[in-house]
Amino acid sequence: GQNIDQPTEMTATEGAIVQINCTYQTSGFNGLFWYQQHAGEAPTFLSYNVLDGLEEKGRFSSFLSRSKGYSYLLLKELQMKDSASYLCAVRLISAGNKLTFGGGTRVLVKP
Amino acid sequence: DAGITQSPRYKITETGRQVTLMCHQTWSHSYMFWYRQDLGHGLRLIYYSAAADITDKGEVPDGYVVSRSKTENFPLTLESATRSQTSVYFCASSESPYRQPNQPQHFGDGTRLSIL
Repeated sequence: GQNIDQPTEMTATEGAIVQINCTYQTSGFNGLFWYQQHAGEAPTFLSYNVLDGLEEKGRFSSFLSRSKGYSYLLLKELQMKDSASYLCAVRLISAGNKLTFGGGTRVLVKP
Repeated sequence: DAGITQSPRYKITETGRQVTLMCHQTWSHSYMFWYRQDLGHGLRLIYYSAAADITDKGEVPDGYVVSRSKTENFPLTLESATRSQTSVYFCASSESPYRQPNQPQHFGDGTRLSIL
């Protein structure tokens, strides 16, 4: 099965930048999604990458390297409300529309 | 824009009882999914459905039953609840990736289920 690895927890200061890495097995790759999940709430969609390169959406950017099986989510100008878990999910060609999720990275933003 | 709704939001039941979690979406998405989320395991897929009357197993289907007689509804039933099924359950829906590959799965607010 697909193994998706993310760090368990990261801490950063308000106003700073944090980069959350995600690695996965490259065979049959068909897209990578990033979700944000606040404690006690549902995951909400942040970004989608299927081609190599950087996708920017305001303070959030996501990068993909298909050959390396690597993605990162970059959070800039951190705000207290960015304290949440960030989930990386991979879709495989063989799996249709199913996603496999990593365990999530809990980001704590300190003042 | 009601989106995707789950009910109940919270449920406490006893081992051996049958319990059904409901999921309803108003987008006419073809795909629907059930996940459970536990500390240390992240989100794990239980069952999914590509269309009405088409369902398939995910990663952890044992002890669960699903049906999809209508596109908008996708109930999940625990036929004989066990303590190990205590978890937070999320329903999600999405458009077909063959039509819109960049469309994400959209999640309901979740059902927090405790089995005593």
